[in-house]
Amino acid sequence: DMKVTQMPRYLIKRMGENVLLECGQDMSHETMYWYRQDPGLGLQLIYISYDVDSNSEGDIPKGYRVSRKKREHFSLILDSAKTNQTSVYFCASSLFRQYEQYFGPGTRLTVL
Amino acid sequence: QQKVQQSPESLIVPEGGMASLNCTSSDRNVDYFWWYRQHSGKSPKMLMSIFSNGEKEEGRFTVHLNKASLHTSLHIRDSQPSDSALYLCAASKAEGADRLTFGKGTQLIIQP
Repeated sequence: DMKVTQMPRYLIKRMGENVLLECGQDMSHETMYWYRQDPGLGLQLIYISYDVDSNSEGDIPKGYRVSRKKREHFSLILDSAKTNQTSVYFCASSLFRQYEQYFGPGTRLTVL
Repeated sequence: QQKVQQSPESLIVPEGGMASLNCTSSDRNVDYFWWYRQHSGKSPKMLMSIFSNGEKEEGRFTVHLNKASLHTSLHIRDSQPSDSALYLCAASKAEGADRLTFGKGTQLIIQP
């Protein structure tokens, strides 16, 4: 069963703390994504990764960085989290040049 | 300014009725359009994609695309309560079709 997993599902952090969101997929998809979704703003692309150590900024990369050391695993890192980074974060993956994106269940992050 | 605009923001349709959702891109460089569906508290799932002028039908769902006006529409016939969800339209260029720009979505409610 094709699956994208995200950990943790819920996270509460204080402003200034570091945050690590993790994403895994078991479909050997080359391309992986991080989005955030906010009410009234839709889904916004933070970073895209084309394969191991091949990452590219999306539309809103400021305040975020990513790491992809294995094809099946993609991490989103917030160094010194800010309150405006409170959001629901979705990871997704797709096969190279197939383009249908498979989304994980999301992580609800609250930064106090 | 949102590059992908969806209308209406919300729509109430009686069970068994026809739901019509609209989406227009203000970026003239886009080539492909996608429709994703997101049930409350869940992750988005791809419903349909359309790359050429014309119409594409899959079961109760029909998508139209007019490339000259960069307008796509999604029509759901014989609407069911399970169709109640947030419908997200996304657009991309042919070169780099993995980079989607999403609209804010249309909240569809099917009234039994």
